[in-house]
Amino acid sequence: GAGVSQTPSNKVTEKGKYVELRCDPISGHTALYWYRQSLGQGPEFLIYFQGTGAADDSGLPNDRFFAVRPEGSVSTLKIQRTERGDSAVYLCASSLRGGHQETQYFGPGTRLLVL
Amino acid sequence: GENVEQHPSTLSVQEGDSAVIKCTYSDSASNYFPWYKQELGKRPQLIIDIRSNVGEKKDQRIAVTLNKTAKHFSLHITETQPEDSAVYFCAAIGNQFYFGTGTSLTVIP
Repeated sequence: GAGVSQTPSNKVTEKGKYVELRCDPISGHTALYWYRQSLGQGPEFLIYFQGTGAADDSGLPNDRFFAVRPEGSVSTLKIQRTERGDSAVYLCASSLRGGHQETQYFGPGTRLLVL
Repeated sequence: GENVEQHPSTLSVQEGDSAVIKCTYSDSASNYFPWYKQELGKRPQLIIDIRSNVGEKKDQRIAVTLNKTAKHFSLHITETQPEDSAVYFCAAIGNQFYFGTGTSLTVIP
């Protein structure tokens, strides 16, 4: 089957604008993760969904960031009032059952540039 | 990343030589340690993982060792090939999800 997909692949926006980033996990995967990867750094955890609910949102940097997964499959990461420091690659991953010893399969990422 | 330290940040080896990348972690609740390979502009791909009840795991030319007492784990690649050139990330996962800062490996033909 298809792997994790993310859209758009690239997004350029202006400071202060609102953006939505979409993640389609592998079909049947109950867990979904969002990470942010800055240039030359490893992925930084943002939020983890188990089904429809956020099991751990401790990585969200502030209240401008929000994510939803209303039907337990597709997820949307929403960033309000974007700042230049939000520029990064946003990675999504999914795993079959969730839990902390499960293999996570990553998507190709969305490269966000805030001008 | 600050809960996982990864060294070296860059590594160049001759084709056929071995490469070793080391990570240390601080969260004693970490019990799952995957390694990912990321080629330029592509998604991270899992190459090997180890769980806390195992000290060593091998898959062809790739091996990982884990020392839970010392809180460190290492990736070993033997008989390196040019296609091994990429950025490698370690991760320590327990109650939290921590990734290292990456090692850029270059295998010189």
